[in-house]
Amino acid sequence: EAQVTQNPRYLITVTGKKLTVTCSQNMNHEYMSWYRQDPGLGLRQIYYSMNVEVTDKGDVPEGYKVSRKEKRNFPLILESPSPNQTSLYFCASSLEGTQGYGYTFGSGTRLTVV
Amino acid sequence: DAKTTQPNSMESNEEEPVHLPCNHSTISGTDYIHWYRQLPSQGPEYVIHGLTSNVNNRMASLAIAEDRKSSTLILHRATLRDAAVYYCILRDPGSNYQLIWGAGTKLIIKP
Repeated sequence: EAQVTQNPRYLITVTGKKLTVTCSQNMNHEYMSWYRQDPGLGLRQIYYSMNVEVTDKGDVPEGYKVSRKEKRNFPLILESPSPNQTSLYFCASSLEGTQGYGYTFGSGTRLTVV
Repeated sequence: DAKTTQPNSMESNEEEPVHLPCNHSTISGTDYIHWYRQLPSQGPEYVIHGLTSNVNNRMASLAIAEDRKSSTLILHRATLRDAAVYYCILRDPGSNYQLIWGAGTKLIIKP
């Protein structure tokens, strides 16, 4: 089944403890991105990647890192999480980064930083 | 920024057609119109997208106005499983690869 898989689905962590949220897609998509969703603010893009080794900042990149060493994986790294990073995170992929293609989203990771 | 305007919520009866409107008066000539929906506790789901001509797929139809300043997502026969928030989205002209998400329309289906 074609899908985007995020792990974990739920995570509670403490301020300052480094964490990684994994994202993997099995559709050979070139484009991948990370979003966060907060009440009243909608979905905001954190980082995106056009292809392997090519990443760029979205709207809200502060406090996050990403890497794209393989086509299928696009992990989101929080080096020193803070409570304002408590949010619902979604990973998405698309065949290409141009707007002529739809995105496939993962099921989400609900992160709580205390 | 290219922006969209959608009603906050709409109600429809089960098994009836639903027309979800979207205004995008600042759309540029090369912007596609994308629609996604998000069911409770799930990630967004692609519905349909189009550029100029009306588009149909197994989920819905997209009717695009001739001047492209508005569009309508049509669910031909709504079911309870179609209750979701529907997002009409354009690309941010300042970024080649970013879709700008608004607040969407919460669709309520009455049995």
